Amino acid sequence: NAGVTQTPKFQVLKTGQSMTLQCAQDMNHEYMSWYRQDPGMGLRLIHYSVGAGITDQGEVPNGYNVSRSTTEDFPLRLLSAAPSQTSVYFCASSYAGWETQYFGPGTRLLVL
Amino acid sequence: TQLLEQSPQFLSIQEGENLTVYCNSSSVFSSLQWYRQEPGEGPVLLVTVVTGGEVKKLKRLTFQFGDARKDSSLHITAAQPGDTGLYLCAGAGAGGTSYGKLTFGQGTILTVHP
Repeated sequence: NAGVTQTPKFQVLKTGQSMTLQCAQDMNHEYMSWYRQDPGMGLRLIHYSVGAGITDQGEVPNGYNVSRSTTEDFPLRLLSAAPSQTSVYFCASSYAGWETQYFGPGTRLLVL
Repeated sequence: TQLLEQSPQFLSIQEGENLTVYCNSSSVFSSLQWYRQEPGEGPVLLVTVVTGGEVKKLKRLTFQFGDARKDSSLHITAAQPGDTGLYLCAGAGAGGTSYGKLTFGQGTILTVHP
């Protein structure tokens, strides 16, 4: 099993550009989530999904969109990047929101 | 919104010393998870504590869940350079809008010098 994979590993964007962070898992987990990690602030939940076709907002959803068309994939879209979105983004999957989270390796995003 | 206060934020110690990391909240959690994260990687689960007062041991690491399920601690005995990393606690919401969601603490960056 590959577990949770994320692409790209690094990305530099200019303010106003859009991009999609990809996330895939092969563990047949229903629950998937996106977090951002900033120094001194731990992991903050952006969006999550409890199954294909179902998504909901987390703690910091503004500026991000998600969709869940399949169990395996959960992409995160930045519609118009801002410098405040410079961060490390982690995708995670699990059997449920309160169960063990399996994290991907992260995407490091710099918005200039 | 449930908050988890983790302390200390930074810890720099010598090999062989003992240390304790604390995770505190005013909210009750149904369970408390501890993760360890190495540079350039995602967090990896160390342990989950579920019952108030529960103590779990993982080699030199001892995890405790408070009786009221509002706080937890991680104690490392005789720290080694391989223990260096970011330690994160995460609480699973027990009810209301937080039910079923994890709230992460800010993390503790541990550096163990040889």
